[in-house]
Amino acid sequence: NAGVMQNPRHLVRRRGQEARLRCSPMKGHSHVYWYRQLPEEGLKFMVYLQKENIIDESGMPKERFSAEFPKEGPSILRIQQVVRGDSAAYFCASSPDWNGETQYFGPGTRLLVL
Amino acid sequence: AQTVTQSQPEMSVQEAETVTLSCTYDTSENNYYLFWYKQPPSRQMILVIRQEAYKQQNATENRFSVNFQKAAKSFSLKISDSQLGDTAMYFCACPGSARQLTFGSGTQLTVLP
Repeated sequence: NAGVMQNPRHLVRRRGQEARLRCSPMKGHSHVYWYRQLPEEGLKFMVYLQKENIIDESGMPKERFSAEFPKEGPSILRIQQVVRGDSAAYFCASSPDWNGETQYFGPGTRLLVL
Repeated sequence: AQTVTQSQPEMSVQEAETVTLSCTYDTSENNYYLFWYKQPPSRQMILVIRQEAYKQQNATENRFSVNFQKAAKSFSLKISDSQLGDTAMYFCACPGSARQLTFGSGTQLTVLP
């Protein structure tokens, strides 16, 4: 059973460009969480999705950030018009249900904004 | 809102010795799990151990065990027979109402040869 997959592993963007981060959850998992880790900090929750639904986006910046988890295909975290402060590691995690089950993390995407 | 506090930014331990990392948390949830994750230099987040809050028995996983004090909202991690591969940043995590995890600020553990 493959683990959580994220791609790309590293992404370099110039200010003003768009970044698209992909996450394929573990097989059988229908719940996806996105977290951001700024340098020298812990992980901060961004958004929680189920298939075709956003359950909780309380940690998402109000502008430029969006997330989706379509019926088919991976979950996408999209950052429009990136700024240098968006440089961070973005982690995706998945779980089989929401009732306190363990979240398993992907390897992360390191975004660098020049 | 959940809060997780790790008061030890850095710790070191000699190989084969035992070390305890502390964590306190606050949550309004009644039934919940608590987690310890490690993040080695590769920066992959790896689950170390989890504790079900309604269980009084402390969780153990090989060399890793927890001391869970529910009334005190304390959840410390004990690593026995420390190995060089245990060198990593360790994060304590507590879930919120929507099961999103709140992480502590981490403890950088260095195992010395």
